[in-house]
Amino acid sequence: AQSVTQPDIHITVSEGASLELRCNYSYGATPYLFWYVQSPGQGLQLLLKYFSGDTLVQGIKGFEAEFKRSQSSFNLRKPSVHWSDAAEYFCAVGAASNDYKLSFGAGTTVTVRA
Amino acid sequence: ETGVTQTPRHLVMGMTNKKSLKCEQHLGHNAMYWYKQSAKKPLELMFVYSLEERVENNSVPSRFSPECPNSSHLFLHLHTLQPEDSALYLCASSQSGLAEDTQYFGPGTRLTVL
Repeated sequence: AQSVTQPDIHITVSEGASLELRCNYSYGATPYLFWYVQSPGQGLQLLLKYFSGDTLVQGIKGFEAEFKRSQSSFNLRKPSVHWSDAAEYFCAVGAASNDYKLSFGAGTTVTVRA
Repeated sequence: ETGVTQTPRHLVMGMTNKKSLKCEQHLGHNAMYWYKQSAKKPLELMFVYSLEERVENNSVPSRFSPECPNSSHLFLHLHTLQPEDSALYLCASSQSGLAEDTQYFGPGTRLTVL
């Protein structure tokens, strides 16, 4: 079965600074990888996803993520953070052998300071 | 109305009460999901329905009872809950339930069990 680790529970970043959120997954074959964002009082919204092809994936709101098979990682980045990016971010992994099941990480809370 | 809606948004109930959570998706999807979200823990998949048939039941206590009368509606019936069941309950839907499908989430029902 697949699993996900998000090593950082909480990150504080200044507005305008860059942001990188780490995600490590465990799965033997090529995984389906997702990043979701959850703002306070909201459900989860998809930022981007990776299945195959170009390992650098562009998403909404200026986010991008890079799949690195050798490191089993799928880190999320944004060059310049806005105050509205304060939220909780979840990495998730799916597997073709395991339909219906997305495994989520515990999440990283991002605080943006002025 | 678009997307995935959930009612009520907040629910407080005693351990002897019976209540139901409702989810409706307006996306024409065939798969629907119930998740439990507790603070600082990964989302826990509870139930999955595909074309109105239950396809996953992740060892959820019988005090939680799902119902999917059609592909647009999903219910979670609650009875004799415990305080540890207090959490945010999220509903999601996806096109077909395949691992690569994007899941679309509702805003959740914040449940408090006294």
